[in-house]
Amino acid sequence: KNEVEQSPQNLTAQEGEFITINCSYSVGISALHWLQQHPGGGIVSLFMLSSGKKKHGRLIATINIQEKHSSLHITASHPRDSAVYICAVTSYTGANSKLTFGKGITLSVRP
Amino acid sequence: EPEVTQTPSHQVTQMGQEVILRCVPISNHLYFYWYRQILGQKVEFLVSFYNNEISEKSEIFDDQFSVERPDGSNFTLKIRSTKLEDSAMYFCASKASNTQETQYFGPGTRLLVL
Repeated sequence: KNEVEQSPQNLTAQEGEFITINCSYSVGISALHWLQQHPGGGIVSLFMLSSGKKKHGRLIATINIQEKHSSLHITASHPRDSAVYICAVTSYTGANSKLTFGKGITLSVRP
Repeated sequence: EPEVTQTPSHQVTQMGQEVILRCVPISNHLYFYWYRQILGQKVEFLVSFYNNEISEKSEIFDDQFSVERPDGSNFTLKIRSTKLEDSAMYFCASKASNTQETQYFGPGTRLLVL
């Protein structure tokens, strides 16, 4: 059973700051996902990683398979980035590729 | 852009009543999932569904739960006799194929059992 841990638990930042959110997992995976959940509850997929690094706009996600660790970076943070950021992993491909979720980190970016 | 839809957005029910939560996955997707999130807790896997059958279910998914894809578009989650602890946000998700890992989530149904 994979355990997914995220840190820090809550994060407050000033607009413009560079933000890093971390995720670690206990067992080998097929993919790691970064998800965003807004106050209304909806979940949006930001990245899916199996190795290396991905960038989309101001968001950068990295993964170190050997260390079982991933980071999500937000550059030039903005109040609209305020949300819960969730790390989730899949251990298998195909039909059994359920997601195992971390608790999520609540990010608040102040203007 | 295609999206997963869920109805209703909110449902209030009395303990012991049956509820059916509905999802319309993205049309060419083949793999379907239900997850739930109890208020203040992390999202948990309930069940995965492929080729008209359950491929995996969690310990939460007991005999009170069932899933169905009755008409090739809808994907439903039924709770036969709701309990207070079933109160949660229920998310449906779908993915295109076994080589595509990204799952697309619906907006969720907030279920409150009184």
